[in-house]
Amino acid sequence: DIRMTQSPASLSASLGETVNIECLASEDIYSDLAWYQQKPGKSPQLLIYNANSLQNGVPSRFSGSGSGTQYSLKINSLQSEDVATYFCQQYNNYPFTFGSGTKLEIK
Amino acid sequence: QIQLVQSGPELKKPGESVKISCKASGYTFTDYAMHWVKQAPGKGLKWMGWINTYTGKPTYADDFKGRFVFSLEASASTANLQISNLKNEDTATYFCARQGDSSPYVMDAWGQGASVTVSS
Repeated sequence: DIRMTQSPASLSASLGETVNIECLASEDIYSDLAWYQQKPGKSPQLLIYNANSLQNGVPSRFSGSGSGTQYSLKINSLQSEDVATYFCQQYNNYPFTFGSGTKLEIK
Repeated sequence: QIQLVQSGPELKKPGESVKISCKASGYTFTDYAMHWVKQAPGKGLKWMGWINTYTGKPTYADDFKGRFVFSLEASASTANLQISNLKNEDTATYFCARQGDSSPYVMDAWGQGASVTVSS
């Protein structure tokens, strides 16, 4: 199975700041990577697919980048509604696997 | 709008079975596969597999072969997950999630989750 290592595990940032979350795959996943946001007590929501494509309806302050084994999610101008846990997911190989999550809080 | 509505919470004893339903609306059910994802309490997400809603063919991740069955009631736009011989480690929230519009391997709409608690 492809292992997805996410960092940091938790993150505290101020409103208006820019934050970056990293995801490292155990092998090349050829940009077959998605990012999800899960707010407390809610279901996950798709933010980014194909490493850098923004899902319809997702604010443009979210962006994704990366290739090969290294990927990142960037959130510009942090808002209070961005408090959530963020997960990466690879879909290059079965079984599809998720990172362990990054919990984002407001300082 | 696209909606996936799952069945309610379940409390079961070890060895029992449970069936979770996921009713879809707002799109053509058979045009999009349905994924299933497990989230144990306080833990991350684990992909269980998916089912082709047109052919009914399921694909299971290795960890979910044997006691887990995906099925359909296509006429009712409903996907089901049945777990037999329940174990304590099956305690989790189970999500159904629709195949993505732009990529079939991502999940672009999720149910609210169905909680299953296994306890003697």
